[in-house]
Amino acid sequence: ENVLTQSPGTLSLSPGERTTLSCRANQSVSNNYLAWYQQKPGQAPRLLIYGASSRATGIPDRFSGSGSGTDFTLTISRLDPEDFAMYYCQRYDNSPVTFGQGTRLEIK
Amino acid sequence: QVQLQESGPGLVKPSETLSLTCTVSGASISSSYWTWVRQPPGKGLEWLGNIYYSGRTNYSPSLKSRVTLSLDTSKNQFSLNLNSVTAADTAVYYCARGSGWHLSWGQGTLVTVSS
Repeated sequence: ENVLTQSPGTLSLSPGERTTLSCRANQSVSNNYLAWYQQKPGQAPRLLIYGASSRATGIPDRFSGSGSGTDFTLTISRLDPEDFAMYYCQRYDNSPVTFGQGTRLEIK
Repeated sequence: QVQLQESGPGLVKPSETLSLTCTVSGASISSSYWTWVRQPPGKGLEWLGNIYYSGRTNYSPSLKSRVTLSLDTSKNQFSLNLNSVTAADTAVYYCARGSGWHLSWGQGTLVTVSS
């Protein structure tokens, strides 16, 4: 069974700070088929990154993704007030598709 | 711009079948895979399965015995049926485009399982 573990569970930071969210897979992710989503309360997830490092259309360049194999990161270079939300990673290299449990990014 | 809209009952009784439909606009349903994801209140995202326009399906192993996906090309819609529901199936159900990463999502619909 594919499992994605995100850390930390919660991050408390201030606008303007830089942060890195982690997503670790229990088995290697083939072809870097790893995506990141942002979700705000009452909204559908919003695709940020696919293929581990490709930004989706319209996503600000302060968001970047990196990693390979079993370790992936989402970096937000300078937090904007609108960035405080839940973040999920997802692997889609095989079926079933798997999501991580999420990281909550909250305002300090 | 691709838009998706879920529709169906917001309340389902235990042991009955949950049925939802996703109506797609801005793209042909014959152009892609189509996926269902759910999110229990206050919890994370759970992938349920996907369907290709040919009818090929992939299901979550944990739900495979209870879930059926189908599509109606004439209406540009695809559907989810989940039978023998319990309170644990209470969630916001999302439809999305694609089999891997999802750029386009529906707004989600809350389905509550309760008598």
